[in-house]
Amino acid sequence: NAGVTQTPKFRVLKTGQSMTLLCAQDMNHEYMYWYRQDPGMGLRLIHYSVGEGTTAKGEVPDGYNVSRLKKQNFLLGLESAAPSQTSVYFCASRPQGPQETQYFGPGTRLLVL
Amino acid sequence: AQKVTQAQTEISVVEKEDVTLDCVYETRDTTYYLFWYKQPPSGELVFLIRRNSFDEQNEISGRYSWNFQKSTSSFNFTITASQVVDSAVYFCALSVRLTGGGNKLTFGTGTQLKVEL
Repeated sequence: NAGVTQTPKFRVLKTGQSMTLLCAQDMNHEYMYWYRQDPGMGLRLIHYSVGEGTTAKGEVPDGYNVSRLKKQNFLLGLESAAPSQTSVYFCASRPQGPQETQYFGPGTRLLVL
Repeated sequence: AQKVTQAQTEISVVEKEDVTLDCVYETRDTTYYLFWYKQPPSGELVFLIRRNSFDEQNEISGRYSWNFQKSTSSFNFTITASQVVDSAVYFCALSVRLTGGGNKLTFGTGTQLKVEL
């Protein structure tokens, strides 16, 4: 049981390049989330999904897209990376039910030059 | 609006000292959950505790204890006899319901705890 995994662990992009971050969970969780962590700001929600085939915007969705084609995977895409997207990205998942705990992946460090 | 405030940006203690990390929250919901997560230097987020709004009992787990007081909207975390391995950033978070289902965590800005020998 690997829990929540994220690929890649670290990436450097040039401005304008695109990339996809992959989150996978093997706990059969319904809900999945993408957060970004910036210094002094805690974590902020980018997008989330309440089930396979569904996605919704969080607090800071601009510049990102997501897809949940399979229940176990949640992809975060950057179509045209900007330096402001330099951050650490965390994926989380949790089971269905009221207010359950979210379990986080190890994070992806992204640097946009 | 929901908000979590961790006023202590950084705390330094000497090993074996007790230390309390403060967390104050704001929410209009009558049912909500509060969490503490630990982020060690390696960067991952480790779940420590969840508390729901109807349970004001204090909780103790080894050297860790949590004091939840609805009257002051606080959910403070105490480490007794701190150790160097406790050095980390600690986040307090409030669970907020989302329209369409699910919830999101509203995080405080974190408290960096440094435990020195």
